[in-house]
Amino acid sequence: KNEVEQSPQNLTAQEGEFITINCSYSVGISALHWLQQHPGGGIVSLFMLSSGKKKHGRLIATINIQEKHSSLHITASHPRDSAVYICAARRDASKLTFGTGTRLQVTL
Amino acid sequence: EPEVTQTPSHQVTQMGQEVILRCVPISNHLYFYWYRQILGQKVEFLVSFYNNEISEKSEIFDDQFSVERPDGSNFTLKIRSTKLEDSAMYFCAARGDSYNEQFFGPGTRLTVL
Repeated sequence: KNEVEQSPQNLTAQEGEFITINCSYSVGISALHWLQQHPGGGIVSLFMLSSGKKKHGRLIATINIQEKHSSLHITASHPRDSAVYICAARRDASKLTFGTGTRLQVTL
Repeated sequence: EPEVTQTPSHQVTQMGQEVILRCVPISNHLYFYWYRQILGQKVEFLVSFYNNEISEKSEIFDDQFSVERPDGSNFTLKIRSTKLEDSAMYFCAARGDSYNEQFFGPGTRLTVL
């Protein structure tokens, strides 16, 4: 069983839709990261969470430590949001363990 | 804004050849990582490096792999004798103190023929 599971694997949305991507992890963590990977392959860090909620522009990330679950929300989605979104768990002050990613396609 | 850089962006090599992938982390970062992503698969941890030594490595990081930071700036990953299955995107990452986020380089796409 993977330590970090994401759902859905693929997601297609129309421009303007509210999007939710879910992440569950099976081990205790010190932080949960949300990352964005564009078609060219580069990875950009979106959020690092250890509790509660963070917001940056149209992106919101939440985490529930007791339930070992995190969500990434995108409000008013746009085609430029199309990318692979990856959650990654950090158990201590060290390496990241990655989920398989959610491929998001936002259409006009 | 300072960023992690990697060279080359794409490396093509013959099986059995040695390759060196280079990373220049952000100057005040202390912890360094190499990850790889085989096409269509998830990102996997290879090795972490702190205070000029390996702090953790995965089972992927066997004797064919080595890392060093020879001049205090470049952080390199060497694969001594490449195999077909080493073909992947290799990402370098770096961070400051213990609980800061990791910053990723743009990746090096390694193709072994």
